[in-house]
Amino acid sequence: DQQVKQNSPSLSVQEGRISILNCDYTNSMFDYFLWYKKYPAEGPTFLISISSIKDKNEDGRFTVFLNKSAKHLSLHIVPSQPGDSAVYFCAATQTDKLIFGTGTRLQVFP
Amino acid sequence: DGGITQSPKYLFRKEGQNVTLSCEQNLNHDAMYWYRQDPGQGLRLIYYSQIVNDFQKGDIAEGYSVSREKKESFPLTVTSAQKNPTAFYLCASTSDRMFYGYTFGSGTRLTVV
Repeated sequence: DQQVKQNSPSLSVQEGRISILNCDYTNSMFDYFLWYKKYPAEGPTFLISISSIKDKNEDGRFTVFLNKSAKHLSLHIVPSQPGDSAVYFCAATQTDKLIFGTGTRLQVFP
Repeated sequence: DGGITQSPKYLFRKEGQNVTLSCEQNLNHDAMYWYRQDPGQGLRLIYYSQIVNDFQKGDIAEGYSVSREKKESFPLTVTSAQKNPTAFYLCASTSDRMFYGYTFGSGTRLTVV
Protein backbone atom coordinates (compact mmCIF):
# COMPACT_ATOMS: atom_id res chain seq x y z
CA ASP A 1 0.00 0.00 0.00
CA GLN A 2 1.72 3.12 -1.28
CA GLN A 3 1.30 5.89 1.30
CA VAL A 4 3.18 8.46 -0.76
CA LYS A 5 2.47 8.59 -4.47
CA GLN A 6 3.98 10.41 -7.40
CA ASN A 7 1.67 9.67 -10.28
CA SER A 8 3.76 11.29 -13.00
CA PRO A 9 6.85 9.18 -13.75
CA SER A 10 8.32 11.86 -15.99
CA LEU A 11 8.08 15.55 -16.84
CA SER A 12 9.70 17.54 -19.61
CA VAL A 13 10.03 21.34 -19.32
CA GLN A 14 11.72 24.01 -21.35
CA GLU A 15 14.58 25.93 -19.75
CA GLY A 16 13.39 29.11 -18.05
CA ARG A 17 9.84 27.89 -17.52
CA ILE A 18 8.23 26.56 -14.36
CA SER A 19 8.48 22.90 -13.36
CA ILE A 20 5.71 21.56 -11.14
CA LEU A 21 6.17 18.16 -9.52
CA ASN A 22 3.24 16.65 -7.65
CA CYS A 23 2.89 14.24 -4.76
CA ASP A 24 -0.14 12.76 -3.01
CA TYR A 25 -0.29 11.01 0.33
CA THR A 26 -2.82 8.99 2.27
CA ASN A 27 -1.73 9.30 5.91
CA SER A 28 -2.90 12.49 7.61
CA MET A 29 -0.52 11.83 10.53
CA PHE A 30 2.66 12.66 8.59
CA ASP A 31 4.60 15.43 10.35
CA TYR A 32 6.96 16.70 7.67
CA PHE A 33 7.27 16.42 3.94
CA LEU A 34 10.54 16.57 2.08
CA TRP A 35 11.78 16.68 -1.49
CA TYR A 36 14.98 14.98 -2.60
CA LYS A 37 16.84 15.24 -5.87
CA LYS A 38 18.72 12.27 -7.28
CA TYR A 39 21.17 11.86 -10.13
CA PRO A 40 21.86 8.40 -11.61
CA ALA A 41 24.19 6.18 -9.56
CA GLU A 42 24.27 8.70 -6.71
CA GLY A 43 22.50 9.06 -3.40
CA PRO A 44 19.57 11.49 -3.11
CA THR A 45 20.29 14.96 -1.78
CA PHE A 46 17.92 16.97 0.37
CA LEU A 47 16.24 19.84 -1.44
CA ILE A 48 13.48 21.43 0.61
CA SER A 49 10.95 20.48 3.27
CA ILE A 50 7.73 21.68 4.86
CA SER A 51 6.08 21.10 8.19
CA SER A 52 2.52 19.77 8.21
CA ILE A 53 1.43 22.95 10.04
CA LYS A 54 2.48 25.18 7.14
CA ASP A 55 1.19 25.51 3.60
CA LYS A 56 4.21 27.00 1.84
CA ASN A 57 7.98 27.03 2.13
CA GLU A 58 10.33 28.80 -0.24
CA ASP A 59 14.07 28.50 -0.83
CA GLY A 60 15.46 30.36 -3.80
CA ARG A 61 14.06 28.87 -7.01
CA PHE A 62 12.28 26.10 -5.10
CA THR A 63 8.88 26.39 -3.43
CA VAL A 64 6.89 23.61 -1.84
CA PHE A 65 3.13 23.93 -1.35
CA LEU A 66 1.09 21.75 0.98
CA ASN A 67 -2.67 21.28 0.70
CA LYS A 68 -3.64 19.22 3.73
CA SER A 69 -7.31 18.94 2.88
CA ALA A 70 -6.41 17.38 -0.46
CA LYS A 71 -3.42 15.46 0.97
CA HIS A 72 -1.34 16.92 -1.82
CA LEU A 73 1.99 18.67 -2.07
CA SER A 74 3.83 20.13 -4.99
CA LEU A 75 7.32 21.37 -5.76
CA HIS A 76 7.69 24.40 -8.02
CA ILE A 77 11.00 25.19 -9.67
CA VAL A 78 11.24 28.64 -11.23
CA PRO A 79 13.04 29.19 -13.52
CA SER A 80 13.96 25.67 -14.54
CA GLN A 81 17.58 25.05 -15.52
CA PRO A 82 19.26 22.16 -17.37
CA GLY A 83 21.07 21.22 -14.15
CA ASP A 84 17.69 20.54 -12.57
CA SER A 85 17.32 17.45 -14.76
CA ALA A 86 17.18 14.57 -12.27
CA VAL A 87 14.75 12.29 -10.48
CA TYR A 88 12.78 13.98 -7.71
CA PHE A 89 11.40 12.06 -4.75
CA CYS A 90 8.89 13.34 -2.28
CA ALA A 91 9.00 11.81 1.19
CA ALA A 92 7.04 12.00 4.43
CA THR A 93 8.16 11.43 8.00
CA GLN A 94 6.48 8.70 9.98
CA THR A 95 7.66 8.37 13.58
CA ASP A 96 11.28 7.39 13.05
CA LYS A 97 11.55 6.83 9.30
CA LEU A 98 10.96 8.40 5.91
CA ILE A 99 8.40 7.06 3.46
CA PHE A 100 9.35 7.80 -0.14
CA GLY A 101 7.32 8.17 -3.29
CA THR A 102 8.23 6.46 -6.55
CA GLY A 103 9.92 9.49 -8.07
CA THR A 104 9.41 11.79 -11.06
CA ARG A 105 12.09 12.18 -13.70
CA LEU A 106 12.42 15.83 -14.70
CA GLN A 107 14.09 16.75 -17.96
CA VAL A 108 14.81 20.41 -18.67
CA PHE A 109 15.59 21.07 -22.32
CA PRO A 110 17.06 24.22 -23.93
CA ASP B 1 34.39 16.49 5.60
CA GLY B 2 31.59 14.59 7.30
CA GLY B 3 29.56 12.15 5.30
CA ILE B 4 28.49 8.61 4.57
CA THR B 5 30.72 6.16 2.73
CA GLN B 6 29.30 3.14 0.99
CA SER B 7 31.54 0.48 -0.48
CA PRO B 8 31.99 -0.99 -2.92
CA LYS B 9 30.25 1.11 -5.58
CA TYR B 10 29.68 -1.94 -7.81
CA LEU B 11 29.36 -5.50 -6.62
CA PHE B 12 28.76 -8.75 -8.47
CA ARG B 13 27.54 -11.86 -6.74
CA LYS B 14 26.91 -15.37 -7.88
CA GLU B 15 23.56 -16.91 -7.12
CA GLY B 16 23.53 -18.67 -3.77
CA GLN B 17 26.22 -16.49 -2.21
CA ASN B 18 25.88 -14.07 0.66
CA VAL B 19 27.39 -10.61 0.23
CA THR B 20 27.91 -7.73 2.66
CA LEU B 21 27.56 -4.05 1.77
CA SER B 22 29.46 -1.57 3.88
CA CYS B 23 28.12 1.72 5.25
CA GLU B 24 30.19 4.03 7.44
CA GLN B 25 29.31 7.55 8.67
CA ASN B 26 31.33 10.17 10.56
CA LEU B 27 28.42 12.54 11.17
CA ASN B 28 27.85 11.33 14.72
CA HIS B 29 24.29 10.42 13.72
CA ASP B 30 22.40 8.00 15.91
CA ALA B 31 20.03 6.59 13.29
CA MET B 32 21.01 4.69 10.17
CA TYR B 33 18.91 3.20 7.38
CA TRP B 34 19.16 0.90 4.39
CA TYR B 35 16.98 1.44 1.32
CA ARG B 36 16.69 -0.38 -1.93
CA GLN B 37 15.90 1.35 -5.22
CA ASP B 38 14.32 -0.49 -8.14
CA PRO B 39 13.07 1.13 -11.35
CA GLY B 40 9.57 2.55 -10.89
CA GLN B 41 9.37 1.61 -7.21
CA GLY B 42 11.13 4.44 -5.47
CA LEU B 43 13.09 3.80 -2.30
CA ARG B 44 11.93 0.96 -0.09
CA LEU B 45 13.11 0.56 3.49
CA ILE B 46 14.98 -2.66 4.33
CA TYR B 47 16.26 -2.17 7.89
CA TYR B 48 16.95 0.72 10.22
CA SER B 49 18.69 1.29 13.52
CA GLN B 50 18.07 4.06 16.02
CA ILE B 51 20.86 3.10 18.40
CA VAL B 52 23.84 0.78 18.71
CA ASN B 53 22.97 -2.91 19.15
CA ASP B 54 19.36 -2.35 18.13
CA PHE B 55 17.64 -2.44 14.73
CA GLN B 56 14.18 -2.88 13.23
CA LYS B 57 12.82 -4.45 10.07
CA GLY B 58 11.55 -2.19 7.36
CA ASP B 59 9.04 -3.02 4.65
CA ILE B 60 11.19 -5.51 2.71
CA ALA B 61 13.52 -7.13 5.28
CA GLU B 62 13.17 -10.72 4.05
CA GLY B 63 16.46 -12.10 2.76
CA TYR B 64 18.54 -9.38 4.42
CA SER B 65 20.36 -9.05 7.74
CA VAL B 66 22.13 -6.20 9.52
CA SER B 67 24.25 -5.46 12.56
CA ARG B 68 24.97 -2.28 14.51
CA GLU B 69 27.95 -2.94 16.74
CA LYS B 70 29.34 0.59 16.37
CA LYS B 71 27.60 3.93 16.00
CA GLU B 72 29.54 4.65 12.80
CA SER B 73 28.85 1.40 10.99
CA PHE B 74 25.71 -0.33 9.70
CA PRO B 75 26.60 -3.18 7.30
CA LEU B 76 23.92 -4.94 5.27
CA THR B 77 24.19 -8.61 4.31
CA VAL B 78 22.23 -9.80 1.29
CA THR B 79 21.68 -13.49 1.83
CA SER B 80 20.98 -16.24 -0.66
CA ALA B 81 17.38 -16.18 0.57
CA GLN B 82 16.78 -12.83 -1.14
CA LYS B 83 14.95 -13.73 -4.34
CA ASN B 84 15.73 -10.65 -6.42
CA PRO B 85 18.86 -9.03 -5.01
CA THR B 86 19.91 -7.10 -8.11
CA ALA B 87 19.26 -3.46 -7.21
CA PHE B 88 20.78 -0.16 -6.14
CA TYR B 89 21.29 -0.03 -2.37
CA LEU B 90 21.39 3.21 -0.42
CA CYS B 91 22.47 3.82 3.13
CA ALA B 92 21.37 6.92 5.05
CA SER B 93 21.76 8.45 8.47
CA THR B 94 20.10 11.21 10.45
CA SER B 95 20.27 13.02 13.73
CA ASP B 96 17.08 13.35 15.72
CA ARG B 97 16.13 16.43 13.68
CA MET B 98 13.99 14.66 11.14
CA PHE B 99 12.94 17.96 9.58
CA TYR B 100 16.14 17.97 7.56
CA GLY B 101 15.74 14.35 6.60
CA TYR B 102 18.53 12.04 5.81
CA THR B 103 22.06 12.23 4.53
CA PHE B 104 22.58 9.52 1.94
CA GLY B 105 25.63 7.65 0.78
CA SER B 106 26.44 7.35 -2.91
CA GLY B 107 25.02 3.83 -3.14
CA THR B 108 26.11 0.31 -4.11
CA ARG B 109 24.94 -1.34 -7.31
CA LEU B 110 24.59 -5.08 -6.68
CA THR B 111 24.25 -7.42 -9.63
CA VAL B 112 23.65 -11.16 -9.35
CA VAL B 113 25.31 -13.10 -12.14
